[in-house]
Amino acid sequence: GESVGLHLPTLSVQEGDNSIINCAYSNSASDYFIWYKQESGKGPQFIIDIRSNMDKRQGQRVTVLLNKTVKHLSLQIAATQPGDSAVYFCEAGANSKLTFGKGITLSVRP
Amino acid sequence: GAVVSQHPSRVICKSGTSVKIECRSLDFQATTMFWYRQFPKQSLMLMATSNEGSKATYEQGVEKDKFLINHASLTLSTLTVTSAHPEDSSFYICSARDGDRVFDYGYTFGSGTRLTVV
Repeated sequence: GESVGLHLPTLSVQEGDNSIINCAYSNSASDYFIWYKQESGKGPQFIIDIRSNMDKRQGQRVTVLLNKTVKHLSLQIAATQPGDSAVYFCEAGANSKLTFGKGITLSVRP
Repeated sequence: GAVVSQHPSRVICKSGTSVKIECRSLDFQATTMFWYRQFPKQSLMLMATSNEGSKATYEQGVEKDKFLINHASLTLSTLTVTSAHPEDSSFYICSARDGDRVFDYGYTFGSGTRLTVV
């Protein structure tokens, strides 16, 4: 399976600031990466994904950056809002089952 | 986008009884579904991979006779917790993959089932 981990367990940001959540993966053969968000008591929700042939992908207020050289993935959230408060998981794989990292809690201060 | 419906959202049962959890893909056919377990403040732990028309593949340490999985159709997978005990109390979540539509949709998750065994 994939070994995926997150550098920090919690992240506190001021509302309106940008957030950066980092993730490291171990399998250099991984070719597909996903970020999920999980709110308390709910199932994970897809945020954005990226293939290994890309190093950046943008969505609405979110950007995922992939550095295959150091096997590092990051999620950037622009103008963080209270509704962004949740646990964020990254996943790396190749059309395989998902192995989640521990998750990082994003807390948005008003 | 793809939608996965999971029921019930919350269930309380007596120790020794069995509980069935349903996971349905509403607008796509899911040849593969996954079942997870999550303890408070922890990550999701994959329990088993459910393939339509065949036996589920269980992760190491997961008792297949305890957690029965049936994937009889392309839109429905069920997880039955047999002879439930308090230690089985947890948050159970299913997910499904819509064939070639993984990119831009990822895997779609159900809303989860909170099981409490008393």
